[in-house]
Amino acid sequence: AQSVTQPDIHITVSEGASLELRCNYSYGATPYLFWYVQSPGQGLQLLLKYFSGDTLVQGIKGFEAEFKRSQSSFNLRKPSVHWSDAAEYFCAVGAGSSNTGKLIFGQGTTLQVKP
Amino acid sequence: GAGVSQSPSNKVTEKGKDVELRCDPISGHTALYWYRQSLGQGLEFLIYFQGNSAPDKSGLPSDRFSAERTGGSVSTLTIQRTQQEDSAVYLCASSPTPQGMSTEAFFGQGTRLTVV
Repeated sequence: AQSVTQPDIHITVSEGASLELRCNYSYGATPYLFWYVQSPGQGLQLLLKYFSGDTLVQGIKGFEAEFKRSQSSFNLRKPSVHWSDAAEYFCAVGAGSSNTGKLIFGQGTTLQVKP
Repeated sequence: GAGVSQSPSNKVTEKGKDVELRCDPISGHTALYWYRQSLGQGLEFLIYFQGNSAPDKSGLPSDRFSAERTGGSVSTLTIQRTQQEDSAVYLCASSPTPQGMSTEAFFGQGTRLTVV
């Protein structure tokens, strides 16, 4: 069965420091991978996605992620965190039979940013 | 509309009552999804619509849950005889093409359901 694991439930970083959020997936075929961000009281906003091609993908707000098939990972990175990045981050894999678009989400990582 | 719209934004209901949650997807989006976000369970898929049909209902937790979509647009998620464990945020998302796997799903703000 498809699954997504985000090992870190909560991460705290200082403003200006670098960030890496981990994501591991289990999926039999080539995965479609996503990172979403959810600010308090808000819906989910797509940060970036990987379907195929270049394994390093760039997203909005200065985020990037690297797909590593050998490690079944899709870690999210940002070189310098801003206070406004404090939110909950979800990794997801496109799952199900073809043409459904159903997403399987990880449990989420809450990011706290210290001034 | 400009985005996925869900109503109500908050709903408090008594245990045993029925509730209806509404989702108005982005105009022209053929794929529509319902997810549930609850403490301890994270984000769970409930049901997928392609047009008015629901080829994947595998995430509906019990027969108290049902959903329909009319006119290829608005969808309603109905929960009958609500229980306290139904308390959660119910999120709706829509996607522009039938091949939803390779396209972005746009999420609404959600409906926070509290069963007391």
